[in-house]
Amino acid sequence: EVQLVESGGGLVKPGGSLRLSCAASGFTFSDYSMNWVRQAPGKGLELVSSINSNSAYTYYADSVKGRFTISRDNANNSLYLQMNSLRVEDTAVYYCARWTTFIGAAGGGHTHWGQGNLVTVSS
Amino acid sequence: DIQMTQSPSSLSAYVGDRVTITCRASQSISNYLNWYQQKPGKAPKLLIYTASTLHSGVPSRFSGSGSGTDFTLTISGLQPEDFASYYCQETDSTLTFGGGTKVEIK
Repeated sequence: EVQLVESGGGLVKPGGSLRLSCAASGFTFSDYSMNWVRQAPGKGLELVSSINSNSAYTYYADSVKGRFTISRDNANNSLYLQMNSLRVEDTAVYYCARWTTFIGAAGGGHTHWGQGNLVTVSS
Repeated sequence: DIQMTQSPSSLSAYVGDRVTITCRASQSISNYLNWYQQKPGKAPKLLIYTASTLHSGVPSRFSGSGSGTDFTLTISGLQPEDFASYYCQETDSTLTFGGGTKVEIK
């Protein structure tokens, strides 16, 4: 069974830092691109960052570029999001999500998600 | 960047109703369009990919259609467990989500 378990969230002051972790199990982690998706309270979904299977490619939303860094450790089946210079508007539930490319079909989807981890930025 | 606009933002319906949600892309995305369902306090679940292909385990009352810039998600015969929020997502570019549609009980 595929499992994604996030940790590392919590309350932090504006300007502070946090590191989110996502422990993966039940699949060959090194075969898949991974993503962080967030959801502010009462709001919609926003892709924050993506990383491909061998870390050669990363993507950041404009809202976090230069402040957040995505990384992965394939040997330990783990995904990370280092969040620096945090702002009040970064307050959200952060989800770790696996991207699956479907055989025989163009495109793909976020087929597996973690339970979500709340990050609150407040003074 | 591609913008994704969903409508309506919310709707009320009865169990058994046929419900249609629309999603419009700011530029053509061919059929690179996904739909997700999210219930309160839970992570989203993938329903449909490439605009019309049902993901494994998704009931056949869900269907998707469209290409280019205009897409629809239809639920034929709304069930109690379908009351949730629904999001479209383009997969042609930067995986942008639509703003969501909340389906509530009438």
